[in-house]
Amino acid sequence: LAKTTQPISMDSYEGQEVNITCSHNNIATNDYITWYQQFPSQGPRFIIQGYKTKVTNEVASLFIPADRKSSTLSLPRVSLSDTAVYYCLVGDPRNSGNTPLVFGKGTRLSVIA
Amino acid sequence: EPEVTQTPSHQVTQMGQEVILRCVPISNHLYFYWYRQILGQKVEFLVSFYNNEISEKSEIFDDQFSVERPDGSNFTLKIRSTKLEDSAMYFCASYPRGQAIQYFGAGTRLSVL
Repeated sequence: LAKTTQPISMDSYEGQEVNITCSHNNIATNDYITWYQQFPSQGPRFIIQGYKTKVTNEVASLFIPADRKSSTLSLPRVSLSDTAVYYCLVGDPRNSGNTPLVFGKGTRLSVIA
Repeated sequence: EPEVTQTPSHQVTQMGQEVILRCVPISNHLYFYWYRQILGQKVEFLVSFYNNEISEKSEIFDDQFSVERPDGSNFTLKIRSTKLEDSAMYFCASYPRGQAIQYFGAGTRLSVL
């Protein structure tokens, strides 16, 4: 499994755009990049997944450069309710049914009023 | 939106007692998982289950742990003789074939006294 590295914590004011970058230098050809969000005392929740270039959904955008050795989760105009831990995971969806998710420590985002 | 449901939300037990944590995965999902998260630490994989048998387990999942899918809908985790260090949040997750996305329940907080 490709190892991921992300900042331990980030602070942001409400209304700002937040970008969290994850490094995954050893990503394999068939690996996808998936981000999860976890609120205190809740289970991780899927946010977004991508393979290359840019993916956008109603919650976030995911930017993946051509070499795919990193990715950036972009949260537009954060609110206090976006305070959570954000995890970047890398894996091959063809195997993921048989492969447990390996969570790192994630990035603890604190949104300040 | 379909979701993974877990019961109870909080379980308090005495050391040495047996506990059963229950999960109802999303109905058309094929792969099921248990993870745990000790307070302030990472989400850790315990066991995966597919086609009515364990497909993978971690070193945490020792002889004190067992899983079962007794009736085709529920998925249970049993701890035979709880220890203080079993105190944690336990998350159930399920996974549909063809996506690299696991859907997590809200978790059961197990407190061993």
